[in-house]
Amino acid sequence: VMTQSPATLSMSPGERATLSCRASQSISTNLAWYQQTLGQAPRLLIYDASTRATGIPARFSGSGSGTEFTLTISSLQSADFAIYYCQQYNNWPRTFGQGTKVEVK
Amino acid sequence: QVRLQESGPGLVRPSETLSLTCTVSDDSISRHYWSWIRQPAGKGLEWIGRMYGGRSTVQSTHYNPSLDSRATMSVDTSTKLVSLKLTSVVAADTAIYYCARGNWQYFQSWGQGIRVTVSS
Repeated sequence: VMTQSPATLSMSPGERATLSCRASQSISTNLAWYQQTLGQAPRLLIYDASTRATGIPARFSGSGSGTEFTLTISSLQSADFAIYYCQQYNNWPRTFGQGTKVEVK
Repeated sequence: QVRLQESGPGLVRPSETLSLTCTVSDDSISRHYWSWIRQPAGKGLEWIGRMYGGRSTVQSTHYNPSLDSRATMSVDTSTKLVSLKLTSVVAADTAIYYCARGNWQYFQSWGQGIRVTVSS
């Protein structure tokens, strides 16, 4: 089971956002992060816990291993207000966290 | 960049079979893993299943056990189509269904999704 916190993060543009994802058992670094803006499909941001996908800005970074993971957005831009999901691929079935919504404060 | 386009009925009656297809814009179908993922309105993402588009000597298809063996995927390299059939649908199957291209692990490219409602 993947658990994300907080459910909602109220932030201002330019601020640093820190999102957490916890696995119920160790998943090594077999974790991805996705961004979903309103009405759009999810977009892969990070894989292997810390590797940015192609075209993802450097303000997005991922860290962690085992059961604790973090997605950091160093300076929030208007396009970053969205829902973020973590996904584990250490076990079958592949599972997602319930999401963290980053909203404008 | 690959484009994925889901298509199928927007409304399915309870107990019937939902059939969706995903059209792949390029010739990558046999070199990647293909998944279906769904999202009920206002809720999170649920992985349905994954299938390899090429030939493989190892098990290349997996389904989410939560679907009680109701899901079946197929890939047609000649028509560049990835298909999903979901049998005995119920209201809880109402969702946006996404087709996604990826690898064994995560999902790199997504279609825009198709909204499916299960209702009589």
